[in-house]
Amino acid sequence: KAGVTQTPRYLIKTRGQQVTLSCSPISGHRSVSWYQQTPGQGLQFLFEYFSETQRNKGNFPGRFSGRQFSNSRSEMNVSTLELGDSALYLCASSFRSSYNSPLHFGNGTRLTVT
Amino acid sequence: QQQVKQSPQSLIVQKGGISIINCAYENTAFDYFPWYQQFPGKGPALLIAIRPDVSEKKEGRFTISFNKSAKQFSLHIMDSQPGDSATYFCAASETGGGADGLTFGKGTHLIIQP
Repeated sequence: KAGVTQTPRYLIKTRGQQVTLSCSPISGHRSVSWYQQTPGQGLQFLFEYFSETQRNKGNFPGRFSGRQFSNSRSEMNVSTLELGDSALYLCASSFRSSYNSPLHFGNGTRLTVT
Repeated sequence: QQQVKQSPQSLIVQKGGISIINCAYENTAFDYFPWYQQFPGKGPALLIAIRPDVSEKKEGRFTISFNKSAKQFSLHIMDSQPGDSATYFCAASETGGGADGLTFGKGTHLIIQP
C-alpha cells in the first residue's frame, strides 16, 4: 500500500503570497490531519478533516485553511504568508478519527518564506 | 500552554544500553498515548501506543511504562542500536475528541554511539 504523499516537497515563497499544499492519504483512510513542525514549537495541530468535513481546528489564525475532497485527498492553504510560517507541514491520514487510531504521516512539505 | 512535557531534549547512549525518555501530561482527559519516531527528512512514524488501562506495553525492544496517578509515561529502548538514532516524540489525545488533535511533546534527539 502506498503511503501518504505530500506535494511539493519544497516550496519557497515571498511574504504576502499565498500557498497551497497537497496531501494524498493512504487508500481507504478517511481522516486527514495537518500539523506544522518548527524547531521552536515542535509539532502543532492545524486541523483535521473527515469525510470532507472539518472536525477540529487548532490554534492557528484564519490565514490557515484547508479542505478535503470526496476521494479523501486534502489541500491546505496559507494566505498572506509571514516569515514565521516557514516550517515543515506534515499531513497524516488515519482510517478513523485521528484521536485514537494510528496516524500515518507523509514526509512533509518544507515551506520557506522570504 | 504546553500540555505534554518531554525530557530530556537530547540523549546520548552507548550501543547496547537502555534509552529512557520521559513525558508528563496535565490534561486528565487524555486517554491515548502514542510514541513516534522521526528520522531526518522523514515524517514521524508510530512506534508504540498505550491506553491508561494498562501500566506497561512492550513491542520488541520498545516498552512504554504508564503511571496514571503521576500523569507520566516513558519510553524505554532496550539494547539500543545505532539505527535507533532519531528524534522521538511522545503524544497524547482524548479519545472522545478534542480541539487539539494529538498534542505532542517537544521531542528528544537520541544518539546511539557505536
